[in-house]
Amino acid sequence: GNSVTQMEGPVTLSEEAFLTINCTYTATGYPSLFWYVQYPGEGLQLLLKATKADDKGSNKGFEATYRKETTSSHLEKGSVQVSDSAVYFCALYRDSSYKLIFGSGTRLLVRP
Amino acid sequence: GAVVSQHPSWVICKSGTSVKIECRSLDFQATTMFWYRQFPKQSLMLMATSNEGSKATYEQGVEKDKFLINHASLTLSTLTVTSAHPEDSSFYICSAKPSGRRLTDTQYFGPGTRLTVL
Repeated sequence: GNSVTQMEGPVTLSEEAFLTINCTYTATGYPSLFWYVQYPGEGLQLLLKATKADDKGSNKGFEATYRKETTSSHLEKGSVQVSDSAVYFCALYRDSSYKLIFGSGTRLLVRP
Repeated sequence: GAVVSQHPSWVICKSGTSVKIECRSLDFQATTMFWYRQFPKQSLMLMATSNEGSKATYEQGVEKDKFLINHASLTLSTLTVTSAHPEDSSFYICSAKPSGRRLTDTQYFGPGTRLTVL
């Protein structure tokens, strides 16, 4: 079946540190990959997406490349800010079923 | 724009009672809404897909008689947890897909409703 595995958090970083959040998936065919962010007290927001192999999505300084050969997509940011503190979800989307399959989320805490 | 609200944000109820959770798209129409359940430190699990004017489609293992979904208008879907029990305590999240857009474009998520059943 389809599944998504994310690194466990929380991830605690100092401001301006480099961020990597790992995500791997199992799926048949060619799913799209999404990254969502959930700030405290708010709903999930789409952060970026990659719809095919080797696609690189980017937004707000975050980047993620869809690595089909390793079935992974790692979220990265070169210099995190306190305002980036949130929970980040990796999700897999299948056109055939229109469903989003989420990873367990990784909480990021950035300290000043 | 593209805001989804949920009401209530949290609710505590006694075992055996029913609880209704509302999901509204505030500034767009949504023919399709989704209901998810999230356990602590776990991922969001899709419970059902709610389609305006038709019956909801439930995921395998979700009791449709226990989790009643009504999508009576293009901006409102409701989830009613009937005869709630402590094991139904969870965080319920809805999302809405704007009408006319492909599903891959985006879904807009509500902030969630925390249900505690005593």
